[in-house]
Amino acid sequence: QQQVKQSPQSLIVQKGGISIINCAYENTAFDYFPWYQQFPGKGPALLIAIRPDVSEKKEGRFTISFNKSAKQFSLHIMDSQPGDSATYFCAASSPITGNQFYFGTGTSLTVIP
Amino acid sequence: NAGVMQNPRHLVRRRGQEARLRCSPMKGHSHVYWYRQLPEEGLKFMVYLQKENIIDESGMPKERFSAEFPKEGPSILRIQQVVRGDSAAYFCASSPGQAISGANVLTFGAGSRLTVL
Repeated sequence: QQQVKQSPQSLIVQKGGISIINCAYENTAFDYFPWYQQFPGKGPALLIAIRPDVSEKKEGRFTISFNKSAKQFSLHIMDSQPGDSATYFCAASSPITGNQFYFGTGTSLTVIP
Repeated sequence: NAGVMQNPRHLVRRRGQEARLRCSPMKGHSHVYWYRQLPEEGLKFMVYLQKENIIDESGMPKERFSAEFPKEGPSILRIQQVVRGDSAAYFCASSPGQAISGANVLTFGAGSRLTVL
């Protein structure tokens, strides 16, 4: 059973556009929702994270929107740049679930110059 | 803080040999996770360990794979009698495992890329 569902699988965006990646989760016990960015040949790196006590978190061009009632969260990349081309993974975790991390299946983002 | 250190970065083995992948967590982190990633695919959870304990090994194949995180030294993922299908990138991640409001941030290493000939 996939605890975290991520979409789309791949995304192509023009430079300067907005990239949006969506995730949905099942377990209401999750209380920590990070996003990871992975470049080819590298390990995933933490990009931005949110807790359910806020509905939005912004860091530079990256924003997480969180909808607790719908059990959904999304990553918005404003003014997308070719350097943002990477694979993005959402995840969810909670001490209640044993500090296990549940990852989405990933979204391959390509930003066209 | 050197981050999560994995070695070797690249490992080539012939079918039937053993592969040992090592992971030193970030300073202050007592939880280690291993993931496998095939090209163009997502992160597949394998095993979650604390010092001297396996917490969750539900993602580990029942045969040929084992993991440990001893009291002293790095965590080791061991693959015996490797087959071509074991070729993948193996990522280690560590976290402080905090159960309070502080974020249980998961930090990944650069990965070990295993090629089985």
